Amino acid sequence: NAGVTQTPKFRVLKTGQSMTLLCAQDMNHEYMYWYRQDPGMGLRLIHYSVGEGTTAKGEVPDGYNVSRLKKQNFLLGLESAAPSQTSVYFCATNLQSYTEAFFGQGTRLTVV
Amino acid sequence: AQSVTQLDSQVPVFEEAPVELRCNYSSSVSVYLFWYVQYPNQGLQLLLKYLSGSTLVKGINGFEAEFNKSQTSFHLRKPSVHISDTAEYFCAVSDGDTGGFKTIFGAGTRLFVKA
Repeated sequence: NAGVTQTPKFRVLKTGQSMTLLCAQDMNHEYMYWYRQDPGMGLRLIHYSVGEGTTAKGEVPDGYNVSRLKKQNFLLGLESAAPSQTSVYFCATNLQSYTEAFFGQGTRLTVV
Repeated sequence: AQSVTQLDSQVPVFEEAPVELRCNYSSSVSVYLFWYVQYPNQGLQLLLKYLSGSTLVKGINGFEAEFNKSQTSFHLRKPSVHISDTAEYFCAVSDGDTGGFKTIFGAGTRLFVKA
């Protein structure tokens, strides 16, 4: 039982490049989230999904897109990476918004 | 809109001393409150949560928190800390009543436990 798996774990991008971060969960949860973690700012919600085929914007959605084509996967895309997107990205899932959230191990992204 | 304020960015404390990490929230509706812990290079893990009922909530590793509705606070406490408690702690709030499904996190408090 892997729980929540994020790939890749590390990545370095050049400004303007694109990439996709994958979050996969085997917990059969409806809700999935993408957060970014920056020093002194805690976790900020980028986008979230309340079920297969649905997505919604969080606190800091600009520069990111997401898709939830399958219940178990939640993809985060950066179309044209910027240095301001250098961060640690975490995926999380839960059964309901008021239940425990389970987190992946994080993806450390550096944009140069 | 809901928000979470963690009043201390860093808390140094000696081993076996008590500790309190402070959290205040704002929300116009009833809320669900959480404390998570993050060890270096790892994701977050749930310490404890308040949904309803008793205002004193006990969690893992000897931590507890008290929900105070009048002061809109949810402070985390431990009577005697260990070196292994050194980590970053996040307070979080979720408002399920309004149809919002978001969990909002505070900026985090780094707990340093010294020998």
